[in-house]
Amino acid sequence: QVQLVQSGAEVKKPGASVKVSCKASGYTFTGYYMHWVRQAPGQGLEWMGRINPNSGGTNYAQKFQGRVTMTRDTSISTAYMELSRLRSDDTAVYYCARGDIVVVPAAMSDYMDVWGKGTTVTVSS
Amino acid sequence: DIQMTQSPSSVSASVGDRVTITCRASQGISSWLAWYQQKPGKAPKLLIYAASSLQSGVPSRFSGSGSGTDFTLTISSLQPEDFATYYCQQANSFPRTFGPGTKVDIK
Repeated sequence: QVQLVQSGAEVKKPGASVKVSCKASGYTFTGYYMHWVRQAPGQGLEWMGRINPNSGGTNYAQKFQGRVTMTRDTSISTAYMELSRLRSDDTAVYYCARGDIVVVPAAMSDYMDVWGKGTTVTVSS
Repeated sequence: DIQMTQSPSSVSASVGDRVTITCRASQGISSWLAWYQQKPGKAPKLLIYAASSLQSGVPSRFSGSGSGTDFTLTISSLQPEDFATYYCQQANSFPRTFGPGTKVDIK
C-alpha cells in the first residue's frame, strides 16, 4: 500500500539544523510531488514547500527561503527537508505529503493525498 | 499570498445533523481547492479536491462546492467519527495556504 514513513522525533538547540526524512513506498516516487507542511502545538497547518522528485525542482514558501532545503534520493525513494538556524518557534510536527497531480484543460495543480505520520521537532535550549 | 478564511471557527453539532463549513479565498482560485480532516494527534486526511471531487474512500456524506472565492464543505449526516477539525487549502498558486480550521465537536 502507499505509505510515507518519516524519521523519528528530534530535539535541537536554537541555532542548530534538523533534517527530516520521508521514505515513500507503494508507488512510483518520481511520479508525484512531495510537500512539507508543519503544525505548531495547538495551531493550524503551514505549508513550507514542495519538491519534484523527478527533477529536483523546488518551490519554497517565502517565509522559509534561505533556511529550508528540500532534497531527494531517488535510489531509495526518500525525500528530505532540512531546516537551519532553528528557533523556538520552529517547534512543531513536520509532515511530508504526496502531491497527486490533477490536470484540467490549460491548467494543472496537485493535492496532498497521502501523508506521513509526522515528525516532532522540539527546539529548546 | 492568497489568504484563506473559514467560518465558523467552531461548531457544535449532534450525530445526524447537517453541517456546513464555508471557506473564502482573498482572490479567485478557480476550483483549485481542497478540504482536509484532521483528528487530534493524527495527520490530515484529504476529503475533497478540485472543490467538489470526492477523494477515493471518503464517504459520500461529504461534499464540496464552489468556485472563484467562495467554497463550502457539507457533511450531510454527521457521524461520530466526523468530529474533527477541517481545513481548506488553495492549490491555485504558491505559497499553498490553508484556512485556520473549523473544529466540529459534540453538542
